[in-house]
Amino acid sequence: EVQLVESGGVVAQPGGSLRLSCAASGFTFADCAMHWVRQAPGKGLEWVSLISWGGGSTSYADSVKGRFTISRDNSKNSLYLQMNSLRAEDTALYYCAKSRTSSVNSQPDYWGQGTLVTVSS
Amino acid sequence: QTVVTQEPSFSVSPGGTVTLTCGLSSGSVSTSYYPSWYQQTPGQAPRTLIYNTNTRSSGVPDRFSGSILGNKAALTITGAQADDESDYYCVLYMGSGIWVFGGGTKLTVL
Repeated sequence: EVQLVESGGVVAQPGGSLRLSCAASGFTFADCAMHWVRQAPGKGLEWVSLISWGGGSTSYADSVKGRFTISRDNSKNSLYLQMNSLRAEDTALYYCAKSRTSSVNSQPDYWGQGTLVTVSS
Repeated sequence: QTVVTQEPSFSVSPGGTVTLTCGLSSGSVSTSYYPSWYQQTPGQAPRTLIYNTNTRSSGVPDRFSGSILGNKAALTITGAQADDESDYYCVLYMGSGIWVFGGGTKLTVL
């Protein structure tokens, strides 16, 4: 059974940093590109970032480019999101999602339950 | 970035058919955008319904179907049921590893 378990969500101050983690199991992690998607309270889904199966290719939404960094450790079946220069508008539930394939043109397929990030002073 | 458009809300009668659409603020949606559709109920993670325009995800009933209608991607629900009342999101691939979600459609079954 595919499992994606996000962690690391806390209350952070504006301008601060945070690192989210996603522990994957139940599938061959190294075979899949991985996404981060967020959802602000009461709002819709917003795609945040993607990393290729080997980590050599990454992409970001304009809203987080230059502030967030996605990475992965295939030896630990783990995905990460380093979040710097946090803003109030980064407040959201952050989902980790696996792609259907290893390709960067593979959409989110299976989602974790999310970890809540609140940016507030 | 390009805006992906969806109807904010839609209603359908039980047993009825409804088609939700997913468009672009500029241009037409084609299969090259790998349109996908997700269903989300309150407090739950999204569930994949359709990927790559018209392929149903595992376990999704065949009353959910995807297509390209005119210049938009479309999700059609045939024989709507009460538990289809959810938020529905589409996502499109913009190239270079960039994906963009639509704003979502809140579907009411009444």
